[in-house]
Amino acid sequence: DTEVTQTPKHLVMGMTNKKSLKCEQHMGHRAMYWYKQKAKKPPELMFVYSYEKLSINESVPSRFSPECPNSSLLNLHLHALQPEDSALYLCASSLGLAGAMYNEQFFGPGTRLTVL
Amino acid sequence: AQTVTQSQPEMSVQEAETVTLSCTYDTSENNYYLFWYKQPPSRQMILVIRQEAYKQQNATENRFSVNFQKAAKSFSLKISDSQLGDTAMYFCAFRGPGNKLVFGAGTILRVKS
Repeated sequence: DTEVTQTPKHLVMGMTNKKSLKCEQHMGHRAMYWYKQKAKKPPELMFVYSYEKLSINESVPSRFSPECPNSSLLNLHLHALQPEDSALYLCASSLGLAGAMYNEQFFGPGTRLTVL
Repeated sequence: AQTVTQSQPEMSVQEAETVTLSCTYDTSENNYYLFWYKQPPSRQMILVIRQEAYKQQNATENRFSVNFQKAAKSFSLKISDSQLGDTAMYFCAFRGPGNKLVFGAGTILRVKS
């Protein structure tokens, strides 16, 4: 299984809603990532988890709250988002972080989020 | 801080022809990896090819090859025998000791029949 899955595929939410994005992988990877991608732009790193611990937070607003319940699962909790947060949210995973520059990141298909 | 520059926002190529996508980067690191990722329309981003900075030999993967010029900090991607399925956004990316993947702005490649 060389797949990263993400649910839901599409999400429309109001600015007062609370929702969650889910990401799953069963490749035994110990590093997991959240990226935000606007149309025709490169992915922007948001968070990195290494061995279920948050290792990088790219100064993301607190209305985005990541969670890594176990080594296979990564969540992104959303609350009080703004219309400018509308984007494709990508999850990725890789074998590990420590000394592993060559490790390929496997990307999920993304969740297309629209904030009204 | 590392930067990655892709100076071609869009390119087109005829099916079966060869096309080269450009990428330059800036870093003070000696050890790093360079990647080309492909993101087809509405589909997952996948790795096309990777190159270790310490390896002088250019990486190749079937129809995809790179021209890695370390001194010039250049890392171009050559696609031979272009196919319709190669139509995608291509991102050049850098990964150094900090472990972050730094992406270029991307190049949209359209393969025409």
